[in-house]
Amino acid sequence: GAGVSQTPSNKVTEKGKYVELRCDPISGHTALYWYRQSLGQGPEFLIYFQGTGAADDSGLPNDRFFAVRPEGSVSTLKIQRTERGDSAVYLCASSYGKSTEAFFGQGTRLTVV
Amino acid sequence: GENVEQHPSTLSVQEGDSAVIKCTYSDSASNYFPWYKQELGKGPQLIIDIRSNVGEKKDQRIAVTLNKTAKHFSLHITETQPEDSAVYFCAASRTNDMRFGAGTRLTVKP
Repeated sequence: GAGVSQTPSNKVTEKGKYVELRCDPISGHTALYWYRQSLGQGPEFLIYFQGTGAADDSGLPNDRFFAVRPEGSVSTLKIQRTERGDSAVYLCASSYGKSTEAFFGQGTRLTVV
Repeated sequence: GENVEQHPSTLSVQEGDSAVIKCTYSDSASNYFPWYKQELGKGPQLIIDIRSNVGEKKDQRIAVTLNKTAKHFSLHITETQPEDSAVYFCAASRTNDMRFGAGTRLTVKP
């Protein structure tokens, strides 16, 4: 596709459940970012991949959050034992490298009930 | 880590007037400063960016200025149009992560 694709667009889950959010970056982009955006706030950095490795995961809030990018393309953000406070829009972005233009996907709206 | 503050949180202007949004950052090593526009239900879209070796950049009705000494940068939109209404975010980046401001909701009244 031409842009960053995120699936699902919406996800409702029960407290305590496990969820996976998927990101398909723009072809050829080696850098991939995950952000979390709460209502009325700016995107909050979670994790950055350069290729297959997590170059910076300092933004992950706790060990319930984990992300992978096994082949250097598609990435999955995994949240265990979801809590109501995890409800937010999760944004993925990709770019050719650090400090270059980052293109965002539409986001996945996660609601934990 | 980097901390980005953005002002104002809301801004309302009349069509044709100019709009200015200001941001400050804390990490003097930050070297990349993008501005994003976000419309309802969509992801942020880059509208202009500036690097620390440049003081000003302009693209049609949009311009960004950077003052490295004071660690602040601003977005200027001239001849505003109703379609400029959206939430605007500034960001600062040093290495891998962009830190965003809290956003400015711009409303352009026809």
